[in-house]
Amino acid sequence: DVKVTQSSRYLVKRTGEKVFLECVQDMDHENMFWYRQDPGLGLRLIYFSYDVKMKEKGDIPEGYSVSREKKERFSLILESASTNQTSMYLCASSLSPGLQSPTGNTIYFGEGSWLTVV
Amino acid sequence: AQKITQTQPGMFVQEKEAVTLDCTYDTSDPSYGLFWYKQPSSGEMIFLIYQGSYDQQNATEGRYSLNFQKARKSANLVISASQLGDSAMYFCAMREVGGSYIPTFGRGTSLIVHP
Repeated sequence: DVKVTQSSRYLVKRTGEKVFLECVQDMDHENMFWYRQDPGLGLRLIYFSYDVKMKEKGDIPEGYSVSREKKERFSLILESASTNQTSMYLCASSLSPGLQSPTGNTIYFGEGSWLTVV
Repeated sequence: AQKITQTQPGMFVQEKEAVTLDCTYDTSDPSYGLFWYKQPSSGEMIFLIYQGSYDQQNATEGRYSLNFQKARKSANLVISASQLGDSAMYFCAMREVGGSYIPTFGRGTSLIVHP
């Protein structure tokens, strides 16, 4: 079974703190994603990575950065946490999509990290 | 423009009955995949079912089936014999094989199963 593990399930941080959210997958997936989920807004893409050391901005990258030094690990960094970054963060991974390949196209998620910034 | 549309913010169903959750999508890529995920209150996103754009038959996984109508660009999820544990948010998603590969998600439908 594919396993995507997010290091922290629940975090409470203070405004201005630097916050690291870690995500590790064990299936040698090239693609990894960080989403933010807020009530009524669905999933919004923050950053994604096609492969090691590659990163691309998603729809809402402001206030975030990412790091992908190893294939299995994709870290989301809040350089200076703010209260409007209180949210649920979801990491996901997949193979690079292939033509009509269910295995390659499927995106697998971690359990989510609930971040509260006070 | 929104690529995935889920028009039902909330749905209610009686236990043991079937329910259909609607999803329409928009793409010009001939090769794409459609997914449904279940998100219980604990937060994890659980993959339910996949349909490829070239698949001739509708996908099925246990009590889940995907009613794929390509010409109408619709990919509705059908849950047969609803159970109390089916109460959750359900998200429809699409991934185009060409282009940027980025998966896009609908805003979800909240399903409540009544005993």
